[in-house]
Amino acid sequence: DTGVSQDPRHKITKRGQNVTFRCDPISEHNRLYWYRQTLGQGPEFLTYFQNEAQLEKSRLLSDRFSAERPKGSFSTLEIQRTEQGDSAMYLCASSNYVSGELFFGEGSRLTVL
Amino acid sequence: GQQLNQSPQSMFIQEGEDVSMNCTSSSIFNTWLWYKQDPGEGPVLLIALYKAGELTSNGRLTAQFGITRKDSFLNISASIPSDVGIYFCAGPFNNDMRFGAGTRLTVKP
Repeated sequence: DTGVSQDPRHKITKRGQNVTFRCDPISEHNRLYWYRQTLGQGPEFLTYFQNEAQLEKSRLLSDRFSAERPKGSFSTLEIQRTEQGDSAMYLCASSNYVSGELFFGEGSRLTVL
Repeated sequence: GQQLNQSPQSMFIQEGEDVSMNCTSSSIFNTWLWYKQDPGEGPVLLIALYKAGELTSNGRLTAQFGITRKDSFLNISASIPSDVGIYFCAGPFNNDMRFGAGTRLTVKP
């Protein structure tokens, strides 16, 4: 399977814990995006990378959210000191140019108790 | 931020019926994308439109890029139960892809 893969698919954590999600994009894609989706809403943009450079991060929801893409391949999204309001689906997508088509992974669903 | 407005919010139709939904924006877009999302899964790209006035089909799906570049339409002909899901329009804005809130489609057998 050469699509976008995300891990874990589901994560249940207690409030205050840190969580990390991983995304492996389609190999020939140089752009990688993170989105958050809550029930009844469309995906909400968080941040994106072109290769290893994080070109937009002002839309990250707070300073508890951070993302990395150290070698321009896989990426991680970390949420520190989780809050119940962080419960959502976290989606990763990749593309090979800015106005092009985003291909999404299956998402990582976070539940904060 | 830039909003994409989708209508209707939800639709309940009978199997075999045709479906039409649209997406509008106050700003011009150079690309319109339509995605379908099943419960618990990521969105899957259905159709991409790159030129004003463009009409593109993918099986029973047809989408059009509005002449004003501020809207797009998606039609589904002869709906079947597996068409159930949420349909999102999307377009690039600044450095990200913006999404509408979706149209939820229910197909009754």
